[in-house]
Amino acid sequence: DAKTTQPNSMESNEEEPVHLPCNHSTISGTDYIHWYRQLPSQGPEYVIHGLTSNVNNRMASLAIAEDRKSSTLILHRATLRDAAVYYCLISSGSARQLTFGSGTQLTVLP
Amino acid sequence: SQTIHQWPATLVQPVGSPLSLECTVEGTSNPNLYWYRQAAGRGLQLLFYSVGIGQISSEVPQNLSASRPQDRQFILSSKKLLLSDSGFYLCAWSVVLASEQYFGPGTRLTVT
Repeated sequence: DAKTTQPNSMESNEEEPVHLPCNHSTISGTDYIHWYRQLPSQGPEYVIHGLTSNVNNRMASLAIAEDRKSSTLILHRATLRDAAVYYCLISSGSARQLTFGSGTQLTVLP
Repeated sequence: SQTIHQWPATLVQPVGSPLSLECTVEGTSNPNLYWYRQAAGRGLQLLFYSVGIGQISSEVPQNLSASRPQDRQFILSSKKLLLSDSGFYLCAWSVVLASEQYFGPGTRLTVT
């Protein structure tokens, strides 16, 4: 199973960009990189996913390293509502490998 | 649009009592369904998933069971709760197995 490593916590100032890193050195060639975020006492929310190329959507951007062993979730302008736990997980298409680690607690300072 | 419901939102049950948590999805057909548990301050642990009616795969051996009696209904059960069953239970669905998942609001279970 491809495992992920994320910092336990990060801080950002409001309206500044945030770069949330994730290492996944054992990723396989066909594994997708997914990001979710979870607000307190709520279910996780899907953010973005990608395979090899960088991806953008209305919520965030995903930058994937050329060797695919790491990725970075980019929030272009952090708001107070972006304060959450962010999870990076690797999916091979098999539900047996779905593992949400402890994630990164993002604190956004006003 | 698709929506996912879970109930109850909170539950306090004594040790040894039975459990039944329900999850329903609206606005989609033949979804893949998942049950997760989250202990306080921890990540999510996949408990069960289902690719169709009556098809259940278990990821973690425990005293919990799951059933899918209808296409968009997923039930988590236990005959006798343990203290260690306390946690935040989340149901999710996806179109493609193990791809983008959409989570319900969760059930917070406290076993006393």
